[in-house]
Amino acid sequence: KAGVTQTPRYLIKTRGQQVTLSCSPISGHRSVSWYQQTPGQGLQFLFEYFSETQRNKGNFPGRFSGRQFSNSRSEMNVSTLELGDSALYLCASSLAGSSPLHFGNGTRLTVT
Amino acid sequence: KQEVTQIPAALSVPEGENLVLNCSFTDSAIYNLQWFRQDPGKGLTSLLLIQSSQREQTSGRLNASLDKSSGRSTLYIAASQPGDSATYLCAVEQGGSEKLVFGKGTKLTVNP
Repeated sequence: KAGVTQTPRYLIKTRGQQVTLSCSPISGHRSVSWYQQTPGQGLQFLFEYFSETQRNKGNFPGRFSGRQFSNSRSEMNVSTLELGDSALYLCASSLAGSSPLHFGNGTRLTVT
Repeated sequence: KQEVTQIPAALSVPEGENLVLNCSFTDSAIYNLQWFRQDPGKGLTSLLLIQSSQREQTSGRLNASLDKSSGRSTLYIAASQPGDSATYLCAVEQGGSEKLVFGKGTKLTVNP
């Protein structure tokens, strides 16, 4: 079974631009969640989608948004990029609640 | 607000040694606790998941325990190998929400 696939692996953007990251979950997994990882704050929860509905949202500004498609693939969008948005963005999928999360290798976003 | 702490932040041991990594959390009302490993530049790999009703889980040379009442978990690694070198992260899930709260991790180095 293929793992969680995130594209692209690396992105370089300038302040003020917007970016879209993509995540394809493991086949059959309906829950997709997103995390931001930085050296200072560690891993922080962004949001979680199940069957195209956002079930949970972390404490991030409205510039961070996401969606999930009918095939469970998910995208997250960050608008008006700031230098502090530079981070590794990780996507994870799972079968359902209380099951292990399977993470992708992440998208490394650098904002200059 | 749930907070997860991992001590020590870094650990260096000789090959073959048995070792224990510690994780503590402030709110004992958890759904489950997961241990992950992260290799440099990569995503997270799920190692063990302990449901709130369980006391421990074992996989190969790894054993994780959970004491909800005291807000503690330990990850025991037997007969450590250089390939075990990685950052180990502990995370708790509350309410079956798929929202994980992570510790900052313990960076383990196993020297040959």
